[in-house]
Amino acid sequence: EIVMTQSPATVSVSPGERATLSCRASQSVYSALAWYQQKPGQAPRLLIYDSSTRATGIPARFSGGGSGTEFTLTISSLQSEDFAIYYCQQYHGWPPHLTFGGGTRVEIK
Amino acid sequence: QITLKESGPTLVKPTETLTLTCTFSGFSLTTSGVAVGWVRQPPGKALEWLALIYWNEDKRYSPSLKNRLTITKDASKNQVVLTMTNMDPVDTATYYCAHRPGQTDAIIFDVWGQGTLVTVSS
Repeated sequence: EIVMTQSPATVSVSPGERATLSCRASQSVYSALAWYQQKPGQAPRLLIYDSSTRATGIPARFSGGGSGTEFTLTISSLQSEDFAIYYCQQYHGWPPHLTFGGGTRVEIK
Repeated sequence: QITLKESGPTLVKPTETLTLTCTFSGFSLTTSGVAVGWVRQPPGKALEWLALIYWNEDKRYSPSLKNRLTITKDASKNQVVLTMTNMDPVDTATYYCAHRPGQTDAIIFDVWGQGTLVTVSS
């Protein structure tokens, strides 16, 4: 099983500032990496897939990068609606054994 | 517009079998590449993938839960059913079904249901 580790567990950011979230895979997943946003009481929302491709309707302030075992999600200028928990998910290989990271909470500083 | 909605019991007893239904609209589970998956989330914890069923009846399961899970589809009714046997209190979670788009090789979920909380308790 590929283990996904996210850091930090919590990051405190002021509105308008940049936030950078990290996700590490226990072995290479190439670019098979997605990011989701989840707000309290809501289902996850797909933000990024294939490491850096924004999903439909996702604002340009969200960007993803990395390959292999190290990935980042950057939110360039945090808006009030961006305070949430972010999860990474790998989908490398066949048959699929999808695994999620433990999440990073982005809170208001 | 794609929508999905989970339904099933909110409370099950230990050792019982859980049956959840995902009813969807806005897409067909006969379209090449399309799939529906199940993901769960214990209260305050992270997401865990459970199972996936493709348009062509291909079924995939989480290796750690494979022996307890069965996923089926009824494309004519626009439904996917997940059963999980031998339920335990640690299986208490919100269970989500989600749409996997067919126009990408990525196994991702671009639309999710609202989720249904299942509590396992005697």
